[in-house]
Amino acid sequence: GQQVMQIPQYQHVQEGEDFTTYCNSSTTLSNIQWYKQRPGGHPVFLIQLVKSGEVKKQKRLTFQFGEAKKNSSLHITATQTTDVGTYFCAGPGGGFKTIFGAGTRLFVKA
Amino acid sequence: DAGVIQSPRHEVTEMGQEVTLRCKPISGHNSLFWYRQTMMRGLELLIYFNNNVPIDDSGMPEDRFSAKMPNASFSTLKIQPSEPRDSAVYFCASTRAGAPVDTQYFGPGTRLTVL
Repeated sequence: GQQVMQIPQYQHVQEGEDFTTYCNSSTTLSNIQWYKQRPGGHPVFLIQLVKSGEVKKQKRLTFQFGEAKKNSSLHITATQTTDVGTYFCAGPGGGFKTIFGAGTRLFVKA
Repeated sequence: DAGVIQSPRHEVTEMGQEVTLRCKPISGHNSLFWYRQTMMRGLELLIYFNNNVPIDDSGMPEDRFSAKMPNASFSTLKIQPSEPRDSAVYFCASTRAGAPVDTQYFGPGTRLTVL
């Protein structure tokens, strides 16, 4: 079945350093979504990318969708302690389903 | 507007007991999803409903798990009998009518501990 692979599984950074998580699909995706889950919280939608090669920014967060629409990345510039959490990518899984990646857990040391 | 509401927020029970988790989706949303999250297996889709009808329950672990959606504003996930390996955080999420894939709004989750 369709899978969405996400790397790395964990990332420890010093506050102020950059962070990137990568998402790869075995098949072409019509769109990809990114979610953030704070420790002890629930996944919260961040953004959706639809177009090939699309790049979107939210303050220090930059989201990219690959030209082939099979991969995506989330880059955080100058991380802050408020960025701590797990970042999930998600893609359509057929019908009304959404397939979530395993997530990248970000630790930020002050 | 209230988000997705789940109850209880925490549940501690003993092995063999019946557990019922409840979810109220966002008003106007017509798809509802039940997920289970553990450290080992991540976020797993258990079942989802569209217009109150179960569409795909292939993620339900076994017959001990059942889910219902009697109306557009309420759904339950029941585990009977519960086992320690069912311990996890259970999330309910809903999406609005429209495109097949849309933003999922998650509830706060129910943290279930089966002793």
